[in-house]
Amino acid sequence: DAGVIQSPRHEVTEMGQEVTLRCKPISGHNSLFWYRQTMMRGLELLIYFNNNVPIDDSGMPEDRFSAKMPNASFSTLKIQPSEPRDSAVYFCASRPGTSGTPYEQYFGPGTRLTVT
Amino acid sequence: GNSVTQMEGPVTLSEEAFLTINCTYTATGYPSLFWYVQYPGEGLQLLLKATKADDKGSNKGFEATYRKETTSFHLEKGSVQVSDSAVYFCALSSISGGYNKLIFGAGTRLAVHP
Repeated sequence: DAGVIQSPRHEVTEMGQEVTLRCKPISGHNSLFWYRQTMMRGLELLIYFNNNVPIDDSGMPEDRFSAKMPNASFSTLKIQPSEPRDSAVYFCASRPGTSGTPYEQYFGPGTRLTVT
Repeated sequence: GNSVTQMEGPVTLSEEAFLTINCTYTATGYPSLFWYVQYPGEGLQLLLKATKADDKGSNKGFEATYRKETTSFHLEKGSVQVSDSAVYFCALSSISGGYNKLIFGAGTRLAVHP
């Protein structure tokens, strides 16, 4: 299996621009997570999908952030408009099984976002 | 609430030294416990896990034992290599908000010198 795929790996954009990050989970995994990693705040869970449905978006920092999962093999995280404080590494992770199962999560390589 | 506390880094060791990275947790019920490793420029990878008290997880020479009495899951390796240089995250899996999520520690950076 190719693992979790994220694109782009690096994104540099100017403040105010729209940014879209993409994720392809491992085939057959039911759950998908988006995380943000910064030096100051560590690893933060942004949103969790189960069977393509958003279950918990309480970690989404503000309305500028939105996430979708139109099908089992694709998810996007969009920031509009972007701000310099959004600069971080964004990870997507997937997991097999149902909501209650304690299986480990499989992480993608991340997208390093820089907003100037 | 559930939480994970790790020793602060960075931890700097010479090659072949003994490694311990402390991890303690606070949780209700009986969580599963994990150690993830993040190499430079990469995502997190599962290193080892334990699902119940007294279980020992092991992989690539690393070990950790699930100690319910001390609520700890310390990571150990008998002889580190330069290639072990990375950030190590302790995590617990718990039910919160109706689903199972991972709660991560802040991470501990390990630097191994030749």
